[in-house]
Amino acid sequence: NAGVTQTPKFQVLKTGQSMTLQCAQDMNHEYMSWYRQDPGMGLRLIHYSVGAGITDQGEVPNGYNVSRSTTEDFPLRLLSAAPSQTSVYFCASSPPIGRHQAFFGQGTRLTVV
Amino acid sequence: AQKITQTQPGMFVQEKEAVTLDCTYDTSDQSYGLFWYKQPSSGEMIFLIYQGSYDEQNATEGRYSLNFQKARKSANLVISASQLGDSAMYFCAMRETSGTYKYIFGTGTRLKVLA
Repeated sequence: NAGVTQTPKFQVLKTGQSMTLQCAQDMNHEYMSWYRQDPGMGLRLIHYSVGAGITDQGEVPNGYNVSRSTTEDFPLRLLSAAPSQTSVYFCASSPPIGRHQAFFGQGTRLTVV
Repeated sequence: AQKITQTQPGMFVQEKEAVTLDCTYDTSDQSYGLFWYKQPSSGEMIFLIYQGSYDEQNATEGRYSLNFQKARKSANLVISASQLGDSAMYFCAMRETSGTYKYIFGTGTRLKVLA
C-alpha cells in the first residue's frame, strides 16, 4: 500500500530557483492539501484541493502555486525560492467525509540558501 | 475563521503516569471533527483519535482518550499509563465536515516521558 508519496525527501535550493514538490496518492481521495511545518508554528495550510480542477488557498499561500489535473496528483510549485521557505513540507489526502483522518506523506525537508 | 490553540509548548510526564494535553478551538460551524496526531522524532504523522462535534460520548482508543467539552470548546487528549515511546510532538486538528473539508492544526505540544 503506497498511500501518499512525496518526492523528493530532501532538497537544497538556491535563492531564486524554482522547483516542484511532487505528491501522489493511490487511495482515490478527493481532498488533498499541502502544509509547511516550522518550529513553534505547527502545520500551516498552504493550498488545498477538493477535487480535480479545484484548488484554493490556505493560510500561507504566497510564493506557492498548485494545480490538480488528476485525482491522484497534487504538485506544489515554488516559483522563486526564498530563505523564508526553508521548512518541512507535508502533503496529505483524505476522503471528503468529516470523520476521516488525513493520510500524510513522509515529508520533504527543503532548505533554501 | 477556525482556529486551534495548544498552549503547552512542552510537557514532561513520568513513565506509567497519565498526562493531559490541552487543545481549545474556535469555530462558528455546528458540525466539525476534532483529531489528534502524533509526530515522533522520525517525522511521520500518526493519527491517534477522532471526536465528532455531535458525538455524545468521549472518544477512546486504547490508552488515548479525548476529553471533549463542547461548551468550553476544548478537546484535550489524555494519555494513560505513559510509555517512553509516547515521547513525541502531538498536534490537535479540526476539520470542517462540509464545504471545503479542510483541516487546520495547532502549534503542537512536545511531550517527553521520563523513565
